[in-house]
Formats: sequence, structure tokens, C-alpha cells
Amino acid sequence: EAEVAQSPRYKITEKSQAVAFWCDPISGHATLYWYRQILGQGPELLVQFQDESVVDDSQLPKDRFSAERLKGVDSTLKIQPAELGDSAMYLCASSVQGDTEAFFGQGTRLTVV
Amino acid sequence: KNQVEQSPQSLIILEGKNCTLQCNYTVSPFSNLRWYKQDTGRGPVSLTIMTFSENTKSNGRYTATLDADTKQSSLHITASQLSDSASYICVVRLEGSARQLTFGSGTQLTVLP
Repeated sequence: EAEVAQSPRYKITEKSQAVAFWCDPISGHATLYWYRQILGQGPELLVQFQDESVVDDSQLPKDRFSAERLKGVDSTLKIQPAELGDSAMYLCASSVQGDTEAFFGQGTRLTVV
Repeated sequence: KNQVEQSPQSLIILEGKNCTLQCNYTVSPFSNLRWYKQDTGRGPVSLTIMTFSENTKSNGRYTATLDADTKQSSLHITASQLSDSASYICVVRLEGSARQLTFGSGTQLTVLP
């Protein structure tokens, strides 16, 4: 069964260090999302791609976060420098198009120490 | 502001019992509403989806209802099992805007033997 792949599953990093997460969406899915989920809360959208283009990054802290999807397939989310408050689950999701069901990966649990 | 409120925040029940989770939303214009199940440390998985014209939708032991007039939805779980222990998240999509998903904070359900 096709699924959204994310790596790593867990990441511990020191504050001020750089960290990167990778996502490989379901094949053929044009829309890719990155969400941040703080424990006990619902996911919050960081950035949405349609193919290789960003369609919504209004909630992305651009001073430290960056995201790319160069070939319109897999994507990387980077944080530099990491802060203690960045500790959260980072979820990647993909959908055929922006208004169809989003399928989520298992997430990357980030702990900043 | 478009919001999704869920209640209760957490719930503990005994195995075999039924329970009902609530979701109230102010999202407008409304397109559809999904209930997701999120196991600890995993990404959310869709349980049901309902559009404006649908009042109820079942998926095995899960039954979702929707009252679009009062902007309320519920998720009823019948004959609970230990594996039902998870967070249940209500997600509402805006109509006409492919990127707008609004997530609730979830209800954390614990099923005890």
C-alpha cells in the first residue's frame, strides 16, 4: 500500500544547530504539506506545495525555517538555527490535488535540547 | 476566525463501552469534515469524511454525524477496543479554497481493560 515516507523518525539536536527532515509523498500526488504538531494540539500548516511551487507558507517562520520541493516530488524541511520551542512532531502529508484527501506520514519527532 | 473546537479534551472508558466525541466548528464556507485517528507517535489516518448534505457516515464501529445547521459533528465509537486508544482529530475544509484545512486539538481517548 502506498504511503508517505518520512525520515528520520526521531531527531534530537542541540539548540542553535541545523536540522533537516525529508518527505517522499505518495507517487502521483501533486500537493505536499508540512505540518507542525505540538503535543496535545492539532497539526498546524507550515507550508503547502503544488508540484514544485509554494502555494502557502504564511505560517512558516521564514527567519529560521525553509522548505523546498525542487523536482516536485520529495521535499526537505530545514530549521536553522533550532530553538527549544521547535520541539514538536513534524508531519508531512500529500494529496492528489489540494482539495482531495490528505494522507499523512508517520512524522518526525524533534527534540531540541 | 475559522475554528474547530473538540470536547472532551480527554476521555477514559472501559473496554467494550461506547463513547461519543464532539466537534463544533465556525469554519465557513464549509466544504467537508473529516475525523482522523492518530495513534501515539504516528501520523493521522482518516476515518470518515462528510460533506454538507450528509448527516451520518459509518466506518465499522465508528459512526460520524454532522449537523451543518448547528455546525456540530460527533464521532460515536461502539464496543470500544484497547486499540481505539488514540487521539481523534476533527478537521474541517473551507469550500473554494484548496489549501484551507482547520484542525481541532483532538480528543485523547484511553480504553482500559
